[in-house]
Amino acid sequence: GAVVSQHPSRVICKSGTSVKIECRSLDFQATTMFWYRQFPKQSLMLMATSNEGSKATYEQGVEKDKFLINHASLTLSTLTVTSAHPEDSSFYICSALPSGRAREQFFGPGTRLTVL
Amino acid sequence: GQQVMQIPQYQHVQEGEDFTTYCNSSTTLSNIQWYKQRPGGHPVFLIQLVKSGEVKKQKRLTFQFGEAKKNSPLHITATQTTDVGTYFCAGVFSGGYNKLIFGAGTRLAVHP
Repeated sequence: GAVVSQHPSRVICKSGTSVKIECRSLDFQATTMFWYRQFPKQSLMLMATSNEGSKATYEQGVEKDKFLINHASLTLSTLTVTSAHPEDSSFYICSALPSGRAREQFFGPGTRLTVL
Repeated sequence: GQQVMQIPQYQHVQEGEDFTTYCNSSTTLSNIQWYKQRPGGHPVFLIQLVKSGEVKKQKRLTFQFGEAKKNSPLHITATQTTDVGTYFCAGVFSGGYNKLIFGAGTRLAVHP
């Protein structure tokens, strides 16, 4: 089956620093990847759609300068949380949509970010 | 705006009882998908419904897509402790380019 990995799984950082999260599709190519944010016991909120070789599309209310997304290859998308603050602490999950296939998205295991 | 609503938020059942979660959209959907997230885990794809009135079954789980493609119930027959988790519906709206809009989820607890 299709596998998506995320790295790191957990990260703790100081306020003001930047954190990069990687999302990789391990056994398939993904033209499109998605980044979600999930607060405890809440639903997944779509942050942005990442398309290989082009700029990401951000959802309303999501600051593109705050959450930098790069989708440099068909198997890798990165999310960088810049100048992180405690309110950015959350569970960040990516998903990947296999190129040319049906609409099923495969989710990564998530990254737990804690900003002190 | 495009919203997907899901009820109930929580459901506690005795093992062996049935369980239903309901998903409703503000507007017609292109398709609807269901995911299950276990505590501490990530969402795992269960099924996708595309056609109006579609019904699909996976063992004890029955998924339906309403005639108007705006609602979708998920029914679990004779729940087991392994069914514990949060069930999310996620809709794709027409012209949504595979963008999933998640419902709030229904957290299911099953007491043995």
